[in-house]
Amino acid sequence: GESVGLHLPTLSVQEGDNSIINCAYSNSASDYFIWYKQESGKGPQFIIDIRSNMDKRQGQRVTVLLNKTVKHLSLQIAATQPGDSAVYFCAENFPEGGTSYGKLTFGQGTILTVHP
Amino acid sequence: EAQVTQNPRYLITVTGKKLTVTCSQNMNHEYMSWYRQDPGLGLRQIYYSMNVEVTDKGDVPEGYKVSRKEKRNFPLILESPSPNQTSLYFCASSLGTGVYEQYFGPGTRLTVT
Repeated sequence: GESVGLHLPTLSVQEGDNSIINCAYSNSASDYFIWYKQESGKGPQFIIDIRSNMDKRQGQRVTVLLNKTVKHLSLQIAATQPGDSAVYFCAENFPEGGTSYGKLTFGQGTILTVHP
Repeated sequence: EAQVTQNPRYLITVTGKKLTVTCSQNMNHEYMSWYRQDPGLGLRQIYYSMNVEVTDKGDVPEGYKVSRKEKRNFPLILESPSPNQTSLYFCASSLGTGVYEQYFGPGTRLTVT
């Protein structure tokens, strides 16, 4: 996975705005990607996932976009709310041996702050 | 309530004193995994288990052992803890045979002096 710096990227938005959180993944052969949300003092929480045979997937208020050409993943949050304030991580899975989906590599995370 | 539980939640110990962090899930999940989280380094996978008696190394397995004797439990063992293992540890599980939609435990804050 990509190396992680000491300082997390931050994104600050106003309540009601749309948020876009970006992630560059490391392995061009990765074929499954996940976004997690981590609130202060809690474990990560699954948000949405996408396989490499898709370029877009939508959930409730969230959309994940995948651009395999440039190894880029983004999470869009519509009508961002104060409760969305958290650290957001992308994660990638490279299927070892072509079949094993056991390993997961996380990105460095982005701090999202939503102002009322 | 469906959940992943970890014990203890907080632990301060000394170098070299063997310890075990327990992880248990009540969702009959096949897959379980351990991660550590460090400032500036994010979450890194230590070990994972695709099923009972099947375990594999993640990205940072050195200094750790695991076992999966029964489906619900996946303990993390530090035979001889060192200060560089001071970290926040998370256990996770998922229904499928892989990393799909993992449920994470609340975390164990470990300090090794």
